Amino acid sequence: DAVMTQSPLSLPVTLGQPASISCTSSQSLVFSDGNTYLNWFQQRPGQSPRRLIHKVSNRDSGVPDRFSGSGSGTDFTLKISRVEAEDVGVYYCMQGTHWPLTFGQGTRLEIK
Amino acid sequence: EVQLLESGGVLVQPGGSLRLSCAASGFTFSSYAMGWVRQAPGKGLEWVSDISGSGGKTYYADSVKGRFTISRDNSKNTLYLQMNSLRAEDTAVYYCAREGGSQSYGHFDYWGQGTLVTVSS
Repeated sequence: DAVMTQSPLSLPVTLGQPASISCTSSQSLVFSDGNTYLNWFQQRPGQSPRRLIHKVSNRDSGVPDRFSGSGSGTDFTLKISRVEAEDVGVYYCMQGTHWPLTFGQGTRLEIK
Repeated sequence: EVQLLESGGVLVQPGGSLRLSCAASGFTFSSYAMGWVRQAPGKGLEWVSDISGSGGKTYYADSVKGRFTISRDNSKNTLYLQMNSLRAEDTAVYYCAREGGSQSYGHFDYWGQGTLVTVSS
């Protein structure tokens, strides 16, 4: 299985400051079609998960441009340029290249 | 607007059975694979199962293989998860989620609100 490892697991951030979450896969996430199926999800308290980023760096519709994704192969990063109060929640990376589909443990973002 | 509405979650005894449903609307249901993802209380997300748009291909996590069966009725725009031989560790909120295409997996672009399954005596 492709094990997804996120760091840090807890991320206290001051409002207006940047934040960065790392996600490392135990296997390359490059699929046979050349795409890399790495997603980022946000789960606000009491809500369902919401996809923010797909295929490493593509923002979903309605996602603020302060969110960005980058990386390749086995190492990926989600960045928030300036954290806002509504960004509080848990962030998960997920790989869709290999069966079984696997998620990272989650990173809890809180406001300092 | 894409909508996914799960139902069927209840309190069930260990060893019991349950069927979850997910009613879909706002898109051509048969054109998309679908999946189930669960979240145990206070824990992270765990993929459970996926099914192709036609229903001809299914995929399962090892933790549920042989006990859970995913299916769909494209005439009713509904996804199902039949859960047998339930264990305490199956206690979770179960989400249905849409995949990227008929045989395109690992996307989960839309999620339902979830339904809680509690396995306890």
